[in-house]
Amino acid sequence: GQQVQQSPASLVLQEGENAELQCNFSSTATQLQWFYQSPGGSLVSLLSNPSGTKHTGRLTSTTVTKERRSSLHISSSQTTDSGTYLCAIDLNNYAQGLTFGLGTRVSVFP
Amino acid sequence: EAGVTQSPRYAVLQEGQAVSFWCDPISGHDTLYWYQQPRDQGPQLLVYFRDEAVIDNSQLPSDRFSAVRPKGTNSTLKIQSAKQGDTATYLCASSLGYEQYFGPGTRLTVL
Repeated sequence: GQQVQQSPASLVLQEGENAELQCNFSSTATQLQWFYQSPGGSLVSLLSNPSGTKHTGRLTSTTVTKERRSSLHISSSQTTDSGTYLCAIDLNNYAQGLTFGLGTRVSVFP
Repeated sequence: EAGVTQSPRYAVLQEGQAVSFWCDPISGHDTLYWYQQPRDQGPQLLVYFRDEAVIDNSQLPSDRFSAVRPKGTNSTLKIQSAKQGDTATYLCASSLGYEQYFGPGTRLTVL
């Protein structure tokens, strides 16, 4: 089965609304990254957060390692936030390949 | 600081043709990764290097795919005889430590 599961699969927001994206993983992770990908675009690293809470701009990630879950909170969404948000974990050890979820597609309308 | 660069950005092939993708990682990054991202899916690791050594190529279809990083800097991924199922975006990433940084990718279409 899918080792990294993201929910919801898609999300539609009105500009200004907040959003919460979830990532659950099946094994202990030593590394967890959240990425943003615009349609047809490259992956942009948003946050590296294997445990605890981290903030950058309007984004907050909280990872509870023991419960194998992470969330990404987007506050005051903007139309430019539209795109796919991917959660990825390093299943095994230091600096090995990441295992990605299928992503959450976010659409923000004015 | 320059990011990860890849070329070409797009490639269109007929089945059976060969193609090479080139990646220049961030300067000083010792680890380089190649991922395949089919449409509407997350990236999937193909191979990764630490310096010039292949650390894991277990997901690389070895009969048709090959990857090298001879001097521990730039890397080339080659598909010998492309199939329609290879249609995807090929992403290169590099790291020095945990956090990975991705290039813009090469979008491959095999007709």
